[in-house]
Amino acid sequence: NAGVTQTPKFRVLKTGQSMTLLCAQDMNHEYMYWYRQDPGMGLRLIHYSVGEGTTAKGEVPDGYNVSRLKKQNFLLGLESAAPSQTSVYFCASSYGVAGRNEQFFGPGTRLTVL
Amino acid sequence: SQQGEEDPQALSIQEGENATMNCSYKTSINNLQWYRQNSGRGLVHLILIRSNEREKHSGRLRVTLDTSKKSSSLLITASRAADTASYFCATSESNDYKLSFGAGTTVTVRA
Repeated sequence: NAGVTQTPKFRVLKTGQSMTLLCAQDMNHEYMYWYRQDPGMGLRLIHYSVGEGTTAKGEVPDGYNVSRLKKQNFLLGLESAAPSQTSVYFCASSYGVAGRNEQFFGPGTRLTVL
Repeated sequence: SQQGEEDPQALSIQEGENATMNCSYKTSINNLQWYRQNSGRGLVHLILIRSNEREKHSGRLRVTLDTSKKSSSLLITASRAADTASYFCATSESNDYKLSFGAGTTVTVRA
């Protein structure tokens, strides 16, 4: 099993450009999450999904959109990138609710916005 | 906002020594988890301790939870170079749908 995979691994954007980050999991997990990690701040939850077709806002959702059309995929979109969105983005999934279950993380996507 | 705060921010120890780090949180929790992150990698789950548990062991890891003090500690015994990583605590509140992560403790194990 590949676990949680993320595409791409690295990306450089110019301010105002758009992009989509893809997260895929092969563990049949219901719950999926997008986090961003900035130096000295730990992980902050952007959006999450409790099942196919559902999405919900996390702690820092502004400037991002998500979709969960298929159970195994969770897409994170940046419609108009800003330098403040320079960060490392992690996707995670879990079998059940986050608080009671182990989260499995992808390797991350390092995004730089110039 | 971040629920958990780890202390210290950084820790440097000699191989074979024990490493202890602490996590404090603000509001009542259901469960608390600890994760490890090696440089440039994703987080890996270490252990989950429930609010009605006081201590839990997993291999060389020992986690304690004191809900009256709103704090948890992670002890790594007989440290190895491979334990060099950042360690994060994560808490969940009443609905359990979301985890809140602290800023982490960076542990360096010197050979």
